[in-house]
Amino acid sequence: NAGVMQNPRHLVRRRGQEARLRCSPMKGHSHVYWYRQLPEEGLKFMVYLQKENIIDESGMPKERFSAEFPKEGPSILRIQQVVRGDSAAYFCASSQNWGTEGYTFGSGTRLTVV
Amino acid sequence: AQTVTQSQPEMSVQEAETVTLSCTYDTSESDYYLFWYKQPPSRQMILVIRQEAYKQQNATENRFSVNFQKAAKSFSLKISDSQLGDAAMYFCAYSSTGANSKLTFGKGITLSVRP
Repeated sequence: NAGVMQNPRHLVRRRGQEARLRCSPMKGHSHVYWYRQLPEEGLKFMVYLQKENIIDESGMPKERFSAEFPKEGPSILRIQQVVRGDSAAYFCASSQNWGTEGYTFGSGTRLTVV
Repeated sequence: AQTVTQSQPEMSVQEAETVTLSCTYDTSESDYYLFWYKQPPSRQMILVIRQEAYKQQNATENRFSVNFQKAAKSFSLKISDSQLGDAAMYFCAYSSTGANSKLTFGKGITLSVRP
């Protein structure tokens, strides 16, 4: 009964490179949420997806960030042309029914931009 | 928009004692969910306890219980018989019940447990 799987656990990118973060939701969950956590801060909502649809991207920066959740395969959070300010922990959570039964989190991906 | 406030950045408790972590929130909705999550140094977000706003009874999970005051919009977490493994960051979070619901987190509180 694997939980939410995120990879990689750690990712180092140079400024200007692309970062791809992957999230496989818990079995039976069709709702995926991405959050960003800066040091000493709480988690900030970025985007909410269901299979092949973006439901709410109100927390996503307008430029360089995109997310998808294809019919097959994991959800991908993509950051193009990374800058030092993108360094953070990125968490994925999944739920079965709009979170009414709770949200299950992955272990996060720590992105470091050098 | 909903907001969640955790005004205490840090707290400390003696092992085996009881500690209460505070959380307030702001919403215009009448039905919603409230959560406490624990984040140990491993960074994993672990659900501690969940409260449904329409239920007047306070949720309890073993040593963890909440004091849910709907009118005051307060949702505190009580940890009884504190253990060294309870040391972590604790986040209070809010979620609507609608189709586009998502979690809104407070800034968190760092709990240390003294042996």
